Amino acid sequence: QQQVKQSPQSLIVQKGGISIINCAYENTAFDYFPWYQQFPGKGPALLIAIRPDVSEKKEGRFTISFNKSAKQFSLHIMDSQPGDSATYFCAASIRAYGGATNKLIFGTGTLLAVQP
Amino acid sequence: DGGITQSPKYLFRKEGQNVTLSCEQNLNHDAMYWYRQDPGQGLRLIYYSQIVNDFQKGDIAEGYSVSREKKESFPLTVTSAQKNPTAFYLCASRFTGGNQPQHFGDGTRLSIL
Repeated sequence: QQQVKQSPQSLIVQKGGISIINCAYENTAFDYFPWYQQFPGKGPALLIAIRPDVSEKKEGRFTISFNKSAKQFSLHIMDSQPGDSATYFCAASIRAYGGATNKLIFGTGTLLAVQP
Repeated sequence: DGGITQSPKYLFRKEGQNVTLSCEQNLNHDAMYWYRQDPGQGLRLIYYSQIVNDFQKGDIAEGYSVSREKKESFPLTVTSAQKNPTAFYLCASRFTGGNQPQHFGDGTRLSIL
């Protein structure tokens, strides 16, 4: 119930195309959904995040679409660039350990390659 | 520049040896976390600390230990009891309260000799 399922595992997109990564969850107690971008040998960096009372959030070329009834959310990267090639993780936050902290549950990651 | 510094970047452990990974932050964050990342898997929480001199086990704490003597420091010791320690270890921190985002360091890659 605390899993976040992420797909696809890997994705190849042509420069200028749209990259779409999907995530699904079961637990309705999740209350915050961040996306992280990770380059090889680096730590994940927060890209964009959304709360479940919002259906869409856009920051530059990155958009999160959130479907609360379907328990799904997705990341869209418009006009994908070779510099976007990285691993992307979705995550969901939930109060845990007796409410002592917020715990992030991560998806398994999507390796994106944008071809020039 | 504020941030999270992890050291060393690469670390090798011999059988039966304990090793300590360093994590320092100057973001004035209260909460700090340690995660383990394995190929093809998401990040898994090892330990977290909400405040100085207090820390709690995460989902995979066996074979690991931590301390939090200073707000800015949260070292992780990988003990000899951890039978499969080869992984990429990530430290994170955040302000407590609500859904403040977690910020990550650049990790330490631990390998077994």
